[in-house]
Amino acid sequence: DAGVIQSPRHEVTEMGQEVTLRCKPISGHDYLFWYRQTMMRGLELLIYFNNNVPIDDSGMPEDRFSAKMPNASFSTLKIQPSEPRDSAVYFCASSPDRGQVNTEAFFGQGTRLTVV
Amino acid sequence: DAKTTQPTSMDCAEGRAANLPCNHSTISGNEYVYWYRQIHSQGPQYIIHGLKNNETNEMASLIITEDRKSSTLILPHATLRDTAVYYCIVRGVMNTGFQKLVFGTGTRLLVSP
Repeated sequence: DAGVIQSPRHEVTEMGQEVTLRCKPISGHDYLFWYRQTMMRGLELLIYFNNNVPIDDSGMPEDRFSAKMPNASFSTLKIQPSEPRDSAVYFCASSPDRGQVNTEAFFGQGTRLTVV
Repeated sequence: DAKTTQPTSMDCAEGRAANLPCNHSTISGNEYVYWYRQIHSQGPQYIIHGLKNNETNEMASLIITEDRKSSTLILPHATLRDTAVYYCIVRGVMNTGFQKLVFGTGTRLLVSP
């Protein structure tokens, strides 16, 4: 299993441009999470999906951020328009559903976004 | 809204046991203790979790006090590759609703030769 795959690994863009981050979760996993990590705020959960349906997007900072999961093997996080304060490492993670006990989440390698 | 308290940083000599403490004095009866770590420039990695019994796997051991108000993650023979930030997280069971994985600031462990 290749694990959670994120692309691109690095993205540099100019302020005002649209940015799309991509994630392929581990096959068979029911949950998908998007996190953002900065020095100031640490790891923050932005949004998570269950069976491709967004369940909780309360962590999405602004309307400029949107996430979709069109099928079980693909998700995107889009920022439009991007701003310098969006610079961070964005992680995607997935986990299986095994009933009552919360299972471990498997994280991708992250996308380092720099908005200049 | 992190429910845990961890030291900011710790040092350990290579080959020695690393004992990372975590306080979770407000933990409730159906909440588990999870440990993750994040090696520099990588995504967080699951290590171990437990409810009230001590747990051991190929990576580490988890010791939970009888009153469950604190726990210790033990890396029995730390190596340089164990240098990372270690996160202790308290998380409930699914029948109380899906419990989000909320990361605090963690403990930065430095393993030195």
